[in-house]
Order: sequence, then C-alpha cells, then structure tokens
Amino acid sequence: GAGVSQTPSNKVTEKGKYVELRCDPISGHTALYWYRQSLGQGPEFLIYFQGTGAADDSGLPNDRFFAVRPEGSVSTLKIQRTERGDSAVYLCASSLYNTDTQYFGPGTRLTVL
Amino acid sequence: AQSVTQPDIHITVSEGASLELRCNYSYGATPYLFWYVQSPGQGLQLLLKYFSGDTLVQGIKGFEAEFKRSQSSFNLRKPSVHWSDAAEYFCAVGATNNFNKFYFGSGTKLNVKP
Repeated sequence: GAGVSQTPSNKVTEKGKYVELRCDPISGHTALYWYRQSLGQGPEFLIYFQGTGAADDSGLPNDRFFAVRPEGSVSTLKIQRTERGDSAVYLCASSLYNTDTQYFGPGTRLTVL
Repeated sequence: AQSVTQPDIHITVSEGASLELRCNYSYGATPYLFWYVQSPGQGLQLLLKYFSGDTLVQGIKGFEAEFKRSQSSFNLRKPSVHWSDAAEYFCAVGATNNFNKFYFGSGTKLNVKP
C-alpha cells in the first residue's frame, strides 16, 4: 500500500517568510510524528499526534513552530518568521498505534536563504 | 534522558566482507531499539527492532542485531555486504515509558568498495 507522503519535496524560502509542510500518513495510522534532520545529524523529535491532538510537543524548538492535524489524518507543520537555522530536512512518520513501529516519509528539504 | 551514540561516522568495507556498526544507548530501563537505513533521497527504512525476548534479532536484507544489556549496546551486523548496502544507518531508542519519542544517533555512513 501507499507509504507516508510529504509535500513539497523541496522548499526554498527567504528569511522571515512563513512556510507550511504537509504530511499524509499511511491510511488508518492513528499516530503521527514530526522530526527535523539537520545536516550530518540524526532525526530530532519535534511533535507527536495521537488522533487530532498533539500528545507531546516538547521537541518544538520555539513558538515559531506549530503543527496541526485537524481531522486525525493529514498534518501540517507551520513555521513562522523562518530563520536560516531552520534549514533542514523535515521528516514525518506514522504508526498504527503509539506503541508500534514508525514508518517514515521521504522528507521535505527546507532551505531558508 | 535517553541518548544514542554511534561512534563511527564513516565506515568503508569491501563488497563481500562482514560488517558491524556500533550503537550504544543511555537509558535506565530496557529500551525499545531500532535500526533504520537511509539511502540518498529516500525515507528512513526500518531494518529491524528489539522490544523484548531473544536478544539476537533478524531483520530485512540479511541484517541482524544483538542487544547486550551489560554493554548498553545494540550493534548491527551483516555477514557479507553488497554494494547496494551503501547508505547511512541510524540507531534509535524509544523509551518504554514514552515510546512515541524516538532518540536517534547521528548515523554511520557506509561505503562499499567493489
């Protein structure tokens, strides 16, 4: 079946702009996760959704970052007033339950000029 | 807090040679342990996982890993490497009391010589 998809695959923006990154999880998966992967590093946890609610947002670096999942399926990660340090690959993962294996999408590469 | 260390940033092996990638974790209880592989332009693909039971786990593509509690390690092995195994490998730990939050190591990049 279809895996986790993320759009866009690449996003280039200017410092100070607003961006939205989209994640379509595997159908039926109730849990959804966002990670950020900086160059040369492993993925870093940002936020976890169980259904529509953010169950753990302790990894969001500051209040410029926000994520929603209004219908318990698709999720959008929103970044306000982007900074050059936000440049990274943003990964989304989903799992059937919150104690199940996470399946990752291909990521969105965000470049802030 | 949980943490994962992958001490080798780059490893080069010859095709057909054996491979061992090291992973050490820091966690007080028995963790959930994972190995993922990431090829250029691809998402992270699960190779294998350890939750409990037999400490030697088999995964896809001929990989295996062994959980050693006394050494806080979960090393990945393959008896004979293929050129298609060239990729970056990540070890991850999920806390038993907070499974949804994975902690990843910084990765080991594997090069395979013909």
